[in-house]
Amino acid sequence: DTEVTQTPKHLVMGMTNKKSLKCEQHMGHRAMYWYKQKAKKPPELMFVYSYEKLSINESVPSRFSPECPNSSLLNLHLHALQPEDSALYLCASSQEEGSNWNTEAFFGQGTRLTVV
Amino acid sequence: AQKVTQAQTEISVVEKEDVTLDCVYETRDTTYYLFWYKQPPSGELVFLIRRNSFDEQNEISGRYSWNFQKSTSSFNFTITASQVVDSAVYFCALSVLMNTGFQKLVFGTGTRLLVSP
Repeated sequence: DTEVTQTPKHLVMGMTNKKSLKCEQHMGHRAMYWYKQKAKKPPELMFVYSYEKLSINESVPSRFSPECPNSSLLNLHLHALQPEDSALYLCASSQEEGSNWNTEAFFGQGTRLTVV
Repeated sequence: AQKVTQAQTEISVVEKEDVTLDCVYETRDTTYYLFWYKQPPSGELVFLIRRNSFDEQNEISGRYSWNFQKSTSSFNFTITASQVVDSAVYFCALSVLMNTGFQKLVFGTGTRLLVSP
């Protein structure tokens, strides 16, 4: 099983809503990532978890709150988002390789988020 | 600065034509990785290749081939005999070592490839 599964595929939310994006992988990877991709732009790293601990936060606003309940799951909790947060949110996972993380990341299909 | 430049925004070809996607990178690291990913309309990023900075051998995988030239900081991707299913956005990416020991991917702006029948 070489899949990263993301739910939901599409999400429309109001600026006062609270919602969560979910990501799951069963490849035994111990690093998981959230990327944000605006239309016609490349993906940009938001967060990295390794061994269920937050390792990197790329100065993401606090209205995005990641959570890693176990080694297979990664959530992104959303609260009080702005219309400019509308984007494709991609989850990825990768395997540790020696002393470095193998950045051959496997990506999910993403959640297309629209904030109204 | 560590960055990736994909100067071609969009390329249109007719099926069976060969097409080369350009990628130029800048990095201060001596050890790094370069990647190509394909993003079809469905959205997921599909890994195509990873190349270590010490391995300048060109690689061929079916209709795909990659030309890595450290002297010109380029890592170009050629599709031979293109097919409609090759239509997608292709991203070149560079691994950047962070102070946490992690390497993160820095992507180019992507090249949209349109292959018409």
